[in-house]
Amino acid sequence: DAGITQSPRYKITETGRQVTLMCHQTWSHSYMFWYRQDLGHGLRLIYYSAAADITDKGEVPDGYVVSRSKTENFPLTLESATRSQTSVYFCATTFGVSSYNEQFFGPGTRLTVL
Amino acid sequence: KQEVTQIPAALSVPEGENLVLNCSFTDSAIYNLQWFRQDPGKGLTSLLLIQSSQREQTSGRLNASLDKSSGRSTLYIAASQPGDSATYLCAVRMNSGGYQKVTFGTGTKLQVIP
Repeated sequence: DAGITQSPRYKITETGRQVTLMCHQTWSHSYMFWYRQDLGHGLRLIYYSAAADITDKGEVPDGYVVSRSKTENFPLTLESATRSQTSVYFCATTFGVSSYNEQFFGPGTRLTVL
Repeated sequence: KQEVTQIPAALSVPEGENLVLNCSFTDSAIYNLQWFRQDPGKGLTSLLLIQSSQREQTSGRLNASLDKSSGRSTLYIAASQPGDSATYLCAVRMNSGGYQKVTFGTGTKLQVIP
């Protein structure tokens, strides 16, 4: 039972390139979330999704695009990466029908933008 | 704007000691508060979730309390072990204009010395 997987686990890219971070869950939970974690800022919510084709902005959505065509996948795309987007990205999901239920996190993707 | 503070930022205790980690928040209109641990280079592991209507939750050697009116939560760890060494994070969730808002503290780094 893998739960939540993220790929790639590490990524180095250059400024201006497009990069997509993948998140996959094996539970078919409705809600999925993307966070970034930076020293001095803690974790901040980027986007979240209530179901396939339903997404909402979090605290820091600028520069990011999400989609959710299938319940189990929630990719995060940086359309034109900037150095300020160097961070560790975490995907999370919640059990049950409420977005406020207990959150469970994936292992993270460490992204470096040169 | 919700602000979440965790003091101290770091804590070192001898094995076997009971300890308390603190989490303070400025806006008491929260849905719930969740405690996590994070090991170096890893994702977040959920420890306890306390709903706004609850006063405390227990899981094994862990006990979390919530005083919403004073904007405080504590995580009590009994009989600490070296395996408890990690960074402990608290996160509060609230509804802001119909959108979920999640605010994390910056964590307390705990070291339990054998």
